[in-house]
Amino acid sequence: EADIYQTPRYLVIGTGKKITLECSQTMGHDKMYWYQQDPGMELHLIHYSYGVNSTEKGDLSSESTVSRIRTEHFPLTLESARPSHTSQYLCASRGAPGAGANVLTFGAGSRLTVL
Amino acid sequence: SQQGEEDPQALSIQEGENATMNCSYKTSINNLQWYRQNSGRGLVHLILIRSNEREKHSGRLRVTLDTSKKSSSLLITASRAADTASYFCATASVGGSEKLVFGKGTKLTVNP
Repeated sequence: EADIYQTPRYLVIGTGKKITLECSQTMGHDKMYWYQQDPGMELHLIHYSYGVNSTEKGDLSSESTVSRIRTEHFPLTLESARPSHTSQYLCASRGAPGAGANVLTFGAGSRLTVL
Repeated sequence: SQQGEEDPQALSIQEGENATMNCSYKTSINNLQWYRQNSGRGLVHLILIRSNEREKHSGRLRVTLDTSKKSSSLLITASRAADTASYFCATASVGGSEKLVFGKGTKLTVNP
């Protein structure tokens, strides 16, 4: 199993709550990504980071925010959750140039339900 | 819009049969990758094919790439029930390879 960990795996919360989805990797990868996966399986890139103190917005607009204070940690925060945020959130990382540099390693995902 | 589009959206076969999934994309790419996702889990990398390659094998997997048609196919030979999963293609575009863009996926069911 991959060395990238997401918590919580499942979360059910009420509208208006603040939540943080945690993502940590032990591989020393510089690049990290958050994808949102719809029930119909399509993945959308919502945030990515090239390294510490670097964050970029992805192709799909998201009300969530991210931070990258440490190489191994890339948390995603929703200040005020809404039912439209219900989805699966997948964290991934990618290593330094060399063999396997283009390949993403994914966490198991965090499934968020907002009531 | 999404770069990759898989076809078919769903595929159901019997154990022992071959499964073929196709992926089309829109822009020039550096490489194309195939990933697998078991239900409720993250994606796992299967195979990468570079833009200057036409075919690649890994175990029971065979991937082809036709850059003139902007398409790729994934063939799983002698399928097993354990191959039941969703399969996604992902492309790294020229000039944008920091981001992998995924298609909608093909849901494969292999019946015992």
